Amino acid sequence: DAGVTQSPTHLIKTRGQQVTLRCSPKSGHDTVSWYQQALGQGPQFIFQYYEEEERQRGNFPDRFSGHQFPNYSSELNVNALLLGDSALYLCASSPLGGPISMNTEAFFGQGTRLTVV
Amino acid sequence: GENVEQHPSTLSVQEGDSAVIKCTYSDSASNYFPWYKQELGKGPQLIIDIRSNVGEKKDQRIAVTLNKTAKHFSLHITETQPEDSAVYFCASDSNYQLIWGAGTKLIIKP
Repeated sequence: DAGVTQSPTHLIKTRGQQVTLRCSPKSGHDTVSWYQQALGQGPQFIFQYYEEEERQRGNFPDRFSGHQFPNYSSELNVNALLLGDSALYLCASSPLGGPISMNTEAFFGQGTRLTVV
Repeated sequence: GENVEQHPSTLSVQEGDSAVIKCTYSDSASNYFPWYKQELGKGPQLIIDIRSNVGEKKDQRIAVTLNKTAKHFSLHITETQPEDSAVYFCASDSNYQLIWGAGTKLIIKP
């Protein structure tokens, strides 16, 4: 079992550009959540996808959007990049459509380190 | 919004001693409390979790306690080893997401 895989591992973009990050969930998991982790801080929830729809969203602007595909993999898109978007972007997967409050574990990928210059 | 407070931010202990990290949460509807270990350059790794129907859970050298009345939970690591050095995060569930503490950097002194 490959676990949660994210690509790319590192990325450098220029202000104003757009970026797409990718995530493949752990086998058997159908729910994908995205988090942003700034240096020295805990992760912040961006949004969660289940059944190809955004189920819940954190306090992030519309520049952050996502998608989930029929095979449960997911993309995070960020438009009009700002310097403050530099962070580690984490993808987490959970099984069987359960939200965290239904006592399902969340497994994280290694993250994508995005640097905006 | 809901939040989780975590203390201390840095903890330095002698190898072989115990380490305790404490967290307080605000959402009374929270039922799931995981602890994650994050090593440099890696994603968080789930090390133990506890659900609201139990007060304590143990897995070898790691234990977690939960006090729902006081809304706090703690991580206990006994017989610490050099490989325990990392940043530890507590979290609680709230409305489909995990709310995270700010992290504790655990340093194991030889």
